[in-house]
Amino acid sequence: DIVMTQSPDSLAVSLGERATINCKSSQSVLYSSNGKNYLAWYQQKPGQPPKLLISWASTRESGVPDRFTGSGSETDFTLTISSLQAEDVAVYYCQQYYDTLPLYTFGQGTKLEIK
Amino acid sequence: QLQLQESGPGLVKPSETLSLTCTVSGGSIRSRSDYWGWIRQPPGKGLEWIGSIYYSGDTYYNPSLKSRVTISVDTSKSQFSLKLSSLTAADTAVYYCARQGGLFGPPDYWGQGTLVTVSS
Repeated sequence: DIVMTQSPDSLAVSLGERATINCKSSQSVLYSSNGKNYLAWYQQKPGQPPKLLISWASTRESGVPDRFTGSGSETDFTLTISSLQAEDVAVYYCQQYYDTLPLYTFGQGTKLEIK
Repeated sequence: QLQLQESGPGLVKPSETLSLTCTVSGGSIRSRSDYWGWIRQPPGKGLEWIGSIYYSGDTYYNPSLKSRVTISVDTSKSQFSLKLSSLTAADTAVYYCARQGGLFGPPDYWGQGTLVTVSS
């Protein structure tokens, strides 16, 4: 299985400041034949299902504010929120979908709060 | 807008079998590009993929759960279902159904989830 490890486990950032969450995979999730990284980021608020923010490591889903940016390749990835808003308080998960079985593994989650 | 809704009992006894159904609306479960999956989340913990199915009936299971899991599809009802046997307290979780845009694509539409508690 590909193990996904996020850092930090929790993060407190002031409103308007930058938040950075890291995700490391135990093996590369870059598929060489198409040059795509099979890595997604989700946001989960209390009592809600996860919401897909970013797929293919850096492709923002429709309707996701442009303050959310995904970057990285192979084994090291970052989710950056450029200017934290109150509504961004949530747990964020990275997920790989490169592997065959299991199809998906998730990071342990990073809890983002307001400082 | 595609919608998914889980249904099933919220309380199941240890050693019994959990049965959940996901109803798909606002789109076709027969879409050739889509797969349909189950993901669970124990209270206060992270996410675990259980398995996925294609409308044709092809299934893919998490090896860690494979011996206990069966996923099936009923295209006439736009539903797919999860059965998980030999339950223990460790299976207590919120169970989500979700759509995958392709076998190797991330889940992009999720149901609201249903909490299943395993307890006598």
